[in-house]
Amino acid sequence: KQEVTQIPAALSVPEGENLVLNCSFTDSAIYNLQWFRQDPGKGLTSLLLIQSSQREQTSGRLNASLDKSSGRSTLYIAASQPGDSATYLCAVRYEAMRFGAGTRLTVKP
Amino acid sequence: EAGVAQSPRYKIIEKRQSVAFWCNPISGHATLYWYQQILGQGPKLLIQFQNNGVVDDSQLPKDRFSAERLKGVDSTLKIQPAKLEDSAVYLCASSPVTYTEAFFGQGTRLTVV
Repeated sequence: KQEVTQIPAALSVPEGENLVLNCSFTDSAIYNLQWFRQDPGKGLTSLLLIQSSQREQTSGRLNASLDKSSGRSTLYIAASQPGDSATYLCAVRYEAMRFGAGTRLTVKP
Repeated sequence: EAGVAQSPRYKIIEKRQSVAFWCNPISGHATLYWYQQILGQGPKLLIQFQNNGVVDDSQLPKDRFSAERLKGVDSTLKIQPAKLEDSAVYLCASSPVTYTEAFFGQGTRLTVV
């Protein structure tokens, strides 16, 4: 069964901290993995896409890594800001795209 | 470039009524997805189209949900009759082809009372 798990479910940090969000998946036969951000009442905004052959992708203060063999991906956020407060979702692409339940991040000023 | 368009943004209906949602994907995107997101959970795939053909509808409750993508462009998702547990946000997404980056619309928030 293709399951995606995100830990922690919620995270609260003070502004300026570096933080790591985790995503694990049970079936390593993936095509790619995509990280999304979701603000309350909004749709999903794509942050980073990592192909199965890649190890990491970077965009600004965000860095996503992929270890397909161990079924894990991490999203690293550097120098967090209050505007980073949102729910972060990991989506693993098999024939279908399967989501984790998300990590709700709060960055306190 | 215009994003994925969905309408309506909000809908409140009584149980046993019917409802329909509309999605217009990004121009040229062959793959279209409908997801259901219940509060506090990750999105769950209901149906995936490649052009106007169905790729995956294994989690679509076919006794009450139906979807179509005529002409391989826009799509409608229908619920008939609605149940209380159908209250959720219905998200539409599209991608150029199946294994490429997906882009989501703003979603339709359905409340069944």
